[in-house]
Amino acid sequence: LAKTTQPPSMEAYEGQEVNVSCSHTNIATSEYIYWYRQVPHQGPQFIIQGYKDYVVNEVASLFISADRKLSTLSLPWVSLRDAAVYYCIVTDRGYNQGKLIFGQGTKLSIKP
Amino acid sequence: DMKVTQMPRYLIKRMGENVLLECGQDMSHETMYWYRQDPGLGLQLIYISYDVDSNSEGDIPKGYRVSRKKREHFSLILDSAKTNQTSVYFCARGQGGYEQYFGPGTRLTVL
Repeated sequence: LAKTTQPPSMEAYEGQEVNVSCSHTNIATSEYIYWYRQVPHQGPQFIIQGYKDYVVNEVASLFISADRKLSTLSLPWVSLRDAAVYYCIVTDRGYNQGKLIFGQGTKLSIKP
Repeated sequence: DMKVTQMPRYLIKRMGENVLLECGQDMSHETMYWYRQDPGLGLQLIYISYDVDSNSEGDIPKGYRVSRKKREHFSLILDSAKTNQTSVYFCARGQGGYEQYFGPGTRLTVL
């Protein structure tokens, strides 16, 4: 499983766009990128997944660099509810059979 | 509905007592998981269940066992609980690829 590196913390104001980066320099061709977030006292919540290029859903967008060594989760117009720990996870879908390894993530703080 | 339920939500036990944590899901998904999370740390995988009576150890299985007799239910058992098993335990179910849906957690304190 590729190791991921994220900034430990970030701050933003309500209404801003926030970009959370994740480095995965040893990502294998069979591996996919997943993002989860966890608010205090709750379980993690799946946000988005991707393999290459650009993925968007109703919650966030995910940009993956051409060499797939860097991904960026973009949260538009953040609110106080977006304050959470954001986890970037890289894993091989087939080989690891659903195994996710959660690192320490990026703690996003939102200022009113 | 993609709901994952966990019971109880809070539990206090004494060292040496047995602990049973229950997890339920309403979609009969095959794969279910148990994790624990300690303060300031990410989640650590304890066990995976791929189907009824088809379980696999995760990264930290020592001191735990699991039971899955129905697809909808997955139990985590601590035989003779230890103080270092004080933690928040999360159950999750798998969906498709690696999208996992987590329950609300059980906060276990072992005195």
